[in-house]
Amino acid sequence: QSVLRQPPSVSGAPGQRVTISCAGSSSNIGANYDVHWYQQLPGTAPKLLIYDNTKRPSGVSDRFFGSKSGTSASLAITGLQAEDEADYYCQSYDSSLRVVFGGGTKLTVL
Amino acid sequence: VQLVESGGGLVQPGGSLTLSCAASGFTFTNFPMNWVRRAPGKGLEWISYISTSSRTVYYADSVKGRFTISRDNGKNLLFLQMNGLRGEDAAVYYCATLAAPEDFWGQGTPVTVSS
Repeated sequence: QSVLRQPPSVSGAPGQRVTISCAGSSSNIGANYDVHWYQQLPGTAPKLLIYDNTKRPSGVSDRFFGSKSGTSASLAITGLQAEDEADYYCQSYDSSLRVVFGGGTKLTVL
Repeated sequence: VQLVESGGGLVQPGGSLTLSCAASGFTFTNFPMNWVRRAPGKGLEWISYISTSSRTVYYADSVKGRFTISRDNGKNLLFLQMNGLRGEDAAVYYCATLAAPEDFWGQGTPVTVSS
């Protein structure tokens, strides 16, 4: 029921590349609101991974890439590592400027 | 930078609880603040926003009319007053700036709603 739709799970082998999609609408992503991505490891607070669609905060690995097109956004992770196993969330805003999160995607490293 | 939540615990359905979030290491008065929760087995859910001056507040539909967000800029504190608690309110509650790239989160405080 999340406003932003993500696949519940994705998986990949070490070294592979995976992508996580985030589908919105003309009321949020398509209204030109920025998309941010978070990584949440078990038992910890979410960590900002990508902001303003494509930018990486200082200290975030360059294996993480964000993109946005139309009403959707994507997070790509290259050179998959065991430590990447976590839950990933996209976040944007709705037409009332309220924060909206995607439903989250669980990444499993095989 | 530190955000430290407190006040979580076990409460009966219909009960009340007030969460606090103590901020340090950054200029609290410059940042709007938010509460975000994660229920067991579910994803992140934004629930409330407050502007720097407290003049503007927003709530998710799921908590509107039951929860009240407030802040004390003199003491660098953020609050969430929760009334009429339901089973579906059980979650870990985080305070966060959500002001990318200056994105700060607390460690979370758990709320359990059960009789």
